[in-house]
Amino acid sequence: SQQGEEDPQALSIQEGENATMNCSYKTSINNLQWYRQNSGRGLVHLILIRSNEREKHSGRLRVTLDTSKKSSSLLITASRAADTASYFCATDAGTSGSRLTFGEGTQLTVNP
Amino acid sequence: GAGVSQSPSNKVTEKGKDVELRCDPISGHTALYWYRQSLGQGLEFLIYFQGNSAPDKSGLPSDRFSAERTGGSVSTLTIQRTQQEDSAVYLCASSPRLARETQYFGPGTRLLVL
Repeated sequence: SQQGEEDPQALSIQEGENATMNCSYKTSINNLQWYRQNSGRGLVHLILIRSNEREKHSGRLRVTLDTSKKSSSLLITASRAADTASYFCATDAGTSGSRLTFGEGTQLTVNP
Repeated sequence: GAGVSQSPSNKVTEKGKDVELRCDPISGHTALYWYRQSLGQGLEFLIYFQGNSAPDKSGLPSDRFSAERTGGSVSTLTIQRTQQEDSAVYLCASSPRLARETQYFGPGTRLLVL
């Protein structure tokens, strides 16, 4: 079963605007990760935030984690058309190696 | 260096036939994962290999699915007597021993069962 649920399912914005995607999960986690997928193929790792961290930045990406609410958000600032992709959150509960449990993703469209 | 590679990129098969999907992980990566992604869905964990330990097969959906990893490197996922609901993209990922948390994904194999 899916642990993470992303919100919204789809998001359409104009270039230059910020995009915010949210993720909720059900069980305790070691860390939460965000991945990007273009055209339904391979995933690219974006950022990892550990359970004892509250916020992390990487370039134009900002991730927050609220373990009390079991939720995370991914903010992409100053979006570009090239950011158009599906974005998935994935949780690592620390069991069985680092198997990830993925949400169903948010489809982001950035219009030029 | 080279990333995770998978073959074939696309596979069309008839219901009832067996298929083999191959994954070449990044050299030196000790952990290897298989996931399945159905149309418009998130990824579903299938199986995990770590070094010489027994694999975690808890995600395999039925006994028609099996996987092996030879010599701690290349892995093959086999689906016997394929069904239409097996149609999906099958993704492989690997991670290094000292940084196990980040997984590096291959481009996937798109399987269509007619």
